[in-house]
Amino acid sequence: NAGVMQNPRHLVRRRGQEARLRCSPMKGHSHVYWYRQLPEEGLKFMVYLQKENIIDESGMPKERFSAEFPKEGPSILRIQQVVRGDSAAYFCASSPGTASLNTEAFFGQGTRLTVV
Amino acid sequence: KNEVEQSPQNLTAQEGEFITINCSYSVGISALHWLQQHPGGGIVSLFMLSSGKKKHGRLIATINIQEKHSSLHITASHPRDSAVYICAVRLRTSGSRLTFGEGTQLTVNP
Repeated sequence: NAGVMQNPRHLVRRRGQEARLRCSPMKGHSHVYWYRQLPEEGLKFMVYLQKENIIDESGMPKERFSAEFPKEGPSILRIQQVVRGDSAAYFCASSPGTASLNTEAFFGQGTRLTVV
Repeated sequence: KNEVEQSPQNLTAQEGEFITINCSYSVGISALHWLQQHPGGGIVSLFMLSSGKKKHGRLIATINIQEKHSSLHITASHPRDSAVYICAVRLRTSGSRLTFGEGTQLTVNP
C-alpha cells in the first residue's frame, strides 16, 4: 500500500501564476482532506471531498482557491494568481469514509509551495 | 482561544530523559490523534485515542475524557525523537476533519 501520495513535493511559482497540487489517496480510501500549514503556524483545515463531491469547504479562502476530486484520478487543489501569502506546506489526508470516524489519520508528505 | 491547546510550545531535553507533552481541548470530541512531523517532512500518525491509554515502543499516550486532556510521554528520549509533536482532535461538531494544536517543538540533545 503506497500510502497517500502528493506531488509535487516542492513547487515554486511566480506571483500571478497558477499552482496545481495533486493528492492520490490510499488504496480503498474515497475521502480526501486538504490542510494548510503556513510558516510558523499550525495546520488548518481547508476542504473535505469525496469522489465528485465537495462535502465541506468552510476552510477555503473565498477567492482563487478551488478543489476537486474527480471520479478518476487524484484530488487537485488549485490556486489561481498566487501571492506570496500562499507560500505554505499543503498536506493531504485520506480516510475510508465517514463511517470510520475513529480511524488513524493518513497523511501525505506534503507539497511545499513557494511563491517568488 | 484555540479549541486545542498544547504545552509546552518548545521543549529541550537531554538524551535519556522522560518527556511529557500536554494537550487540552475545550469541546466534545470523537477522537484525539498525536502526530509527529520532522523538519521538512511529512506527518506521521503516532496514536489515535478515544479513551484510556495506548503504548507503542517508548511512546505512551493517555486521554482523560472528563478533564478534556491528553498527554504524550516519551521514555528514554533519543535525539532521533527531535520533531514537532502535534495534537489533533475530531470535534463532534465538525464531522471527520481534524482540528490541530499549534505543535510542540521537541529537541533532544545527545
